[in-house]
Amino acid sequence: SAVISQKPSRDICQRGTSLTIQCQVDSQVTMMFWYRQQPGQSLTLIATANQGSEATYESGFVIDKFPISRPNLTFSTLTVSNMSPEDSSIYLCSVVLDRPYEQYFGPGTRLTVT
Amino acid sequence: GNSVTQMEGPVTLSEEAFLTINCTYTATGYPSLFWYVQYPGEGLQLLLKATKADDKGSNKGFEATYRKETTSFHLEKGSVQVSDSAVYFCALSGSGGYQKVTFGTGTKLQVIP
Repeated sequence: SAVISQKPSRDICQRGTSLTIQCQVDSQVTMMFWYRQQPGQSLTLIATANQGSEATYESGFVIDKFPISRPNLTFSTLTVSNMSPEDSSIYLCSVVLDRPYEQYFGPGTRLTVT
Repeated sequence: GNSVTQMEGPVTLSEEAFLTINCTYTATGYPSLFWYVQYPGEGLQLLLKATKADDKGSNKGFEATYRKETTSFHLEKGSVQVSDSAVYFCALSGSGGYQKVTFGTGTKLQVIP
């Protein structure tokens, strides 16, 4: 299994500012993902962040808005840039362990934009 | 493409009642199927999984059987507890190495004493 921590656990931010969310994993993993969970909704994949390559963004998400860093096999950051109230969500970091390809999630970062 | 449909909530049950949360899927080939649980204020936890037809996943008293003929993976528990109150997500991923996970919309379960 994998233990994932995220910082901050929650934040309230002003519109137009940026927030960087950190994700730390207790073991080395190749595949790491960032999801968004809007209030009362399911999870939406933002991007895949594999170490050693550029992040791959899903349709509707762009690097200028959600830049991602993946400096090593245990750490990643997601920045939510130029925030608006529509960005208010829970942001979840997730990893997949090689074989049997089980996916684990962090506790999430609850972001409120005012 | 792949999709997951699960029953809408919220589902409200009395303690010790029987729980069923329906989940059906659309996918090509032989996907792996999962149930995740999200307790209040927490991230998602893998509850159980099944990787091939007729497999039964089980954990913490919950069970789900992979039914390829009906493309279903219904979650059941014989006697729910207040501590089972959470949101439950059905999900699938394609076969052959890691494939992206497709999530259902989630079903909120509230168990009252």
